[in-house]
Amino acid sequence: LAKTTQPISMDSYEGQEVNITCSHNNIATNDYITWYQQFPSQGPRFIIQGYKTKVTNEVASLFIPADRKSSTLSLPRVSLSDTAVYYCLVVIYNQGGKLIFGQGTELSVKP
Amino acid sequence: DAGVIQSPRHEVTEMGQEVTLRCKPISGHDYLFWYRQTMMRGLELLIYFNNNVPIDDSGMPEDRFSAKMPNASFSTLKIQPSEPRDSAVYFCASRETFESTEAFFGQGTRLTVV
Repeated sequence: LAKTTQPISMDSYEGQEVNITCSHNNIATNDYITWYQQFPSQGPRFIIQGYKTKVTNEVASLFIPADRKSSTLSLPRVSLSDTAVYYCLVVIYNQGGKLIFGQGTELSVKP
Repeated sequence: DAGVIQSPRHEVTEMGQEVTLRCKPISGHDYLFWYRQTMMRGLELLIYFNNNVPIDDSGMPEDRFSAKMPNASFSTLKIQPSEPRDSAVYFCASRETFESTEAFFGQGTRLTVV
């Protein structure tokens, strides 16, 4: 099982770029990396997924190095509304593609 | 589509009572997941279904917990008898296909067992 490790918490200020790095040393060839965001009293919400190199969408960018043992979620110019818990997941397809959440990173954005 | 719909949103029950949580996944989604979230244990995967068939129930904590998916548009998670340590937020999520990594979560059911 590809366990993920990410910082428990991070602080930032409005307008800054935030980078959250996750390590997944045991990732297998067929596994994908995905990130979710969770606000208080809501279910997690998909942000982005990737296999290698860089992926960008309207919300974030995901950087994955060649060895794929880590990934970095980049949130450009955060605002107060980006305060949430961010989860890094490795989707293990040879185990049915189940989604296992780790502890997540609690991001606090301050004015 | 209205998204994943869970009911009830809140449930307060007495210890020993039976509790049934309900979930309506997004139409056309092949996968359905049940999660439990607590401060101590985070988000735990309890069980998931593919085309209404349970695939992995290794996360179900005890025999007191059971889940069913009688058809593609409905699933239940039952706890009988309930205990105070079952108090948590229970989420249901659905995913379209095996290849997709995007799961859509419901608003959750906050269960309190007193």
